[in-house]
Amino acid sequence: TQLLEQSPQFLSIQEGENLTVYCNSSSVFSSLQWYRQEPGEGPVLLVTVVTGGEVKKLKRLTFQFGDARKDSSLHITAAQPGDTGLYLCAGVRTRNAGKSTFGDGTTLTVKP
Amino acid sequence: SAVISQKPSRDICQRGTSLTIQCQVDSQVTMMFWYRQQPGQSLTLIATANQGSEATYESGFVIDKFPISRPNLTFSTLTVSNMSPEDSSIYLCSVVGWDKFYGYTFGSGTRLTVV
Repeated sequence: TQLLEQSPQFLSIQEGENLTVYCNSSSVFSSLQWYRQEPGEGPVLLVTVVTGGEVKKLKRLTFQFGDARKDSSLHITAAQPGDTGLYLCAGVRTRNAGKSTFGDGTTLTVKP
Repeated sequence: SAVISQKPSRDICQRGTSLTIQCQVDSQVTMMFWYRQQPGQSLTLIATANQGSEATYESGFVIDKFPISRPNLTFSTLTVSNMSPEDSSIYLCSVVGWDKFYGYTFGSGTRLTVV
């Protein structure tokens, strides 16, 4: 059973469109991270959210942590081909010795 | 943030042989993590490598199959032993720490194909 479920699994859009990726769980996390991974590379950390209800904006990317700290979303405005990649959420449960559990990933393709 | 050099970047190996993957970090870190990933899919933690003690393995992974060394605070190796085609995957090392945010920094991965 996947502790963190991401949706959609695959997303293919045109340049300029907006999109939202969701990361859901029945467990409470002390923090949640979002990563982007390009082929042949390791995941790169985009953001960490720690407070329920928190919203963080990084240029065209907006990250939200659910009030109950069980879910998160990533919204991209005016997507660009450079946004193409595998997006992974990862949650940390304090009682799990601080280790992260990764979601099953969302593969985003932005067509020019 | 830490910079991680991982090698080899890819290899094709015969079944029954072993491959050792090396991970070098540009700063001293207490814990290093080894993950496995099927292309386009999630990451599964294999083990946590602590300097000066035995690695801690996750359920489904054993030391005989994935021996880990951690000789100092900047270096670790993961060996995939007696390989079978099912071991074909991407192997990643990582460390945790602060950059702009608190999270993991990953090496670029080793893509292993067992034939």
